[in-house]
Amino acid sequence: GDSVTQMEGPVTLSEEACLTINCTYTATGYPSLFWYVQYPGEGLQLLLKATKADDKGSNKGFEATYRKETTSFHLEKGSVQVSDSAVYFCALTPDSNYQLIWGAGTKLIIKP
Amino acid sequence: EAGVAQSPRYKIIEKRQSVAFWCNPISGHATLYWYQQILGQGPKLLIQFQNNGVVDDSQLPKDRFSAERLKGVDSTLKIQPAKLEDSAVYLCASSLEPGPPHEQYFGPGTRLTVT
Repeated sequence: GDSVTQMEGPVTLSEEACLTINCTYTATGYPSLFWYVQYPGEGLQLLLKATKADDKGSNKGFEATYRKETTSFHLEKGSVQVSDSAVYFCALTPDSNYQLIWGAGTKLIIKP
Repeated sequence: EAGVAQSPRYKIIEKRQSVAFWCNPISGHATLYWYQQILGQGPKLLIQFQNNGVVDDSQLPKDRFSAERLKGVDSTLKIQPAKLEDSAVYLCASSLEPGPPHEQYFGPGTRLTVT
């Protein structure tokens, strides 16, 4: 069945470091891909999305490119801030139904 | 635009007791979802409503969990009786339409602790 695999956390970085959180997926057809973020004590928020191959989603300095050939949707940011500390979830919706399929989440800790 | 509202935010109960959670989706959103999120895991879909009809409840433990969405707006999720393994955050989400790209908006969640 369809699934999402993302790198285990926690990921600990210093402020202004470069970030990559890996996400790969297994799905038939052309799923839509998402990154959601969960800040401490808050609900899940959509960070960015991409709906077709080679699309790049971007928001708040974060980017991710839909790579069909490698079935990946890695999250990147050039310079992280303490305020980026959160749990990041990669997810997909298959093109055959409505449901979100989630990765396990990656906790990101940014130290000043 | 007001977001998805949930209450209560926190609940502590003893096992075998019952509990109910409430959700008010974003105005105009036809699709409503309830998820269970256990610590350290991604959300697990419990039930999906389209207006006031159930689209998918295949992962809802129907012997103890029930949900309804009367009038196609607010929804309640009930657990009766609760077990220790039900300790989790219960998330409600809504979306404008069920089809792709299927952007869902989440409420703050209700953290349930069963002792």
